[in-house]
Amino acid sequence: DAGVIQSPRHEVTEMGQEVTLRCKPISGHNSLFWYRQTMMRGLELLIYFNNNVPIDDSGMPEDRFSAKMPNASFSTLKIQPSEPRDSAVYFCASSLARTGDYEQYFGPGTRLTVT
Amino acid sequence: AQKVTQAQTEISVVEKEDVTLDCVYETRDTTYYLFWYKQPPSGELVFLIRRNSFDEQNEISGRYSWNFQKSTSSFNFTITASQVVDSAVYFCALSELGGYGNKLVFGAGTILRVKS
Repeated sequence: DAGVIQSPRHEVTEMGQEVTLRCKPISGHNSLFWYRQTMMRGLELLIYFNNNVPIDDSGMPEDRFSAKMPNASFSTLKIQPSEPRDSAVYFCASSLARTGDYEQYFGPGTRLTVT
Repeated sequence: AQKVTQAQTEISVVEKEDVTLDCVYETRDTTYYLFWYKQPPSGELVFLIRRNSFDEQNEISGRYSWNFQKSTSSFNFTITASQVVDSAVYFCALSELGGYGNKLVFGAGTILRVKS
């Protein structure tokens, strides 16, 4: 079975540009998570969805960040406009969220560099 | 609020040494789950183990073993006869249940360096 798929794997953009990160969760999983990892702040949860509905977006840094999950097999994280401090590795993870099956499976990450 | 503490920022060992990574957690939940993840130099996060709060039996998987002690709120991870390929960042995590139930709180991670 394919794991979580993220694209692109690397993104380099200039400050002020719009960036869209994409994620395809594991088929059958009903929860999807977006994380950001930096040296300074470690692994931070930005937002998570359950059955395509955003449940907790308290980790989204500011209004420049938005996330959508239009269907069970696709999610996007958008940054508009991007800033150098947004440079980080962004991970998408999915889980089954069934009692006893809470482990999250992570995608390979998107390394974002904003110059 | 849930909290996970990995007090060891970085550990260096020589190949074949045993090494234990500590994890201490705080929670008010009576039912919860604990996890370990590995992040090798290639960057991906790999799920290693899940343990629920009702099961305090230690678990062994090859060279890996986990010691869960509810009395001390600890979930430690031991690698026996370490190998260079074990070099990675290891994260301990705790589930935050309630509602849709499966938000994870991660520790800061422990960098393990295994030298040949």
